[in-house]
Amino acid sequence: SQQGEEDPQALSIQEGENATMNCSYKTSINNLQWYRQNSGRGLVHLILIRSNEREKHSGRLRVTLDTSKKSSSLLITASRAADTASYFCATDGNQGGKLIFGQGTELSVKP
Amino acid sequence: DARVTQTPRHKVTEMGQEVTMRCQPILGHNTVFWYRQTMMQGLELLAYFRNRAPLDDSGMPKDRFSAEMPDATLATLKIQPSEPRDSAVYFCASGFVGTLDKNIQYFGAGTRLSVL
Repeated sequence: SQQGEEDPQALSIQEGENATMNCSYKTSINNLQWYRQNSGRGLVHLILIRSNEREKHSGRLRVTLDTSKKSSSLLITASRAADTASYFCATDGNQGGKLIFGQGTELSVKP
Repeated sequence: DARVTQTPRHKVTEMGQEVTMRCQPILGHNTVFWYRQTMMQGLELLAYFRNRAPLDDSGMPKDRFSAEMPDATLATLKIQPSEPRDSAVYFCASGFVGTLDKNIQYFGAGTRLSVL
């Protein structure tokens, strides 16, 4: 069963706006990761945040982690049409390398 | 530019036929994963290997699916016999799981399977 649940399922914004996606999970984790999937492609790793970190930045990406609430958010600032994709959170619960992926958020950025 | 290579990219077959999907993981990675993605179920882990040994195949229907790693450069996923409900995109991913505790997975482009 999927541990991560993402919210919203779909998000449509205009270019230049910020996009925020949320992920909730159920059990303890070593780290949480975010991946992007463009249509017809495989998933691509974006960013990893460890369980002892609260916030991490990478370019236009900002990830937060609240282990007390078992939740994470991914913020994409100044979005571009090229950011149109599905975004997945994945939790690493120290299960021999297995990641548990959420159902994903489908982001559409309109030019 | 190291990447995971999957073949074929697309496969259309008839119910009852055998399907074999292949994956070349990134050199040096010690763990290989097979996933299935559908609209209804999302991304499901079917099986994974560490140093070519199967670690967990509990996500795989045992009666018709089999996964192997004949050598470090090749992982295979077979379906025999195939059924229409097996239609999905199958992804292979590889990564290095070790003491650094990063466990990032690198995905191939997938095999889109249609069983008629």
